[in-house]
Amino acid sequence: DTEVTQTPKHLVMGMTNKKSLKCEQHMGHRAMYWYKQKAKKPPELMFVYSYEKLSINESVPSRFSPECPNSSLLNLHLHALQPEDSALYLCASSLSGAGGELFFGEGSRLTVL
Amino acid sequence: GEDVEQSLFLSVREGDSSVINCTYTDSSSTYLYWYKQEPGAGLQLLTYIFSNMDMKQDQRLTVLLNKKDKHLSLRIADTQTGDSAIYFCAETPGSSNTGKLIFGQGTTLQVKP
Repeated sequence: DTEVTQTPKHLVMGMTNKKSLKCEQHMGHRAMYWYKQKAKKPPELMFVYSYEKLSINESVPSRFSPECPNSSLLNLHLHALQPEDSALYLCASSLSGAGGELFFGEGSRLTVL
Repeated sequence: GEDVEQSLFLSVREGDSSVINCTYTDSSSTYLYWYKQEPGAGLQLLTYIFSNMDMKQDQRLTVLLNKKDKHLSLRIADTQTGDSAIYFCAETPGSSNTGKLIFGQGTTLQVKP
C-alpha cells in the first residue's frame, strides 16, 4: 500500500462553519505534511508532523488547526475561513522527517463562500 | 537563499523527446525531485536523485544533475499525450532536516498528437 488517502475530495463551506480535512497513510511513515496549493501555483508548506509532534508551522493563521492523533492519521481543522483560503489542500507523508520521498494524496479541494 | 526556477511551458509532438529544465540555488541540497500533476489531481512522485549522483534512468525518464551549474533536467523519451501535465522540480534544502520541499513554479507540458 503506497497510498495517501484524503477525505473529503471536495468541500464547500461558509465562513462561519467548522469542518475538518482528513488524511491517512498505512506505509509506516513517521512524518506527515499539509500543503496548500492555489491554481497554477506550486504547493506551499503549511505544517509538518514528525513522530506525531508538530515540527514546522509555516506561520499559518490560527483558523487552520492541525492534529495528528497517531502516526497514520493527520487532520486539518478549519474554522472561520476566508474566501481566499479556497485552494487544494494536499497531504503528504515520508518515511522520516529528514527528507527522502514525499508521497502525496489526491488532495481536498476547498471552496469557502 | 533557497530558490528553484523552471520555464513555464513546453510543447512537443507525440513521439518526440521532452526535456524539462530546472535550476536551483542551494548548493547543499540533498535530494532533488520531479513530480507530475495532472489536472485536478495530487502530485505524483516520478523520480528523484541524490545530490551525489549525476544521472538516473527509469524506463522513459532520464534525470541529469549538473551540480556545478546547479541544473537539473528531466528527459521523457517517446512522449505520449498521457504525459501532458504540470511537472514540478523540487529540492530538499541542505539546511533542512524536516523533509521540507522547495518547489519550482512548474512546467506545463503540452503534447500534441
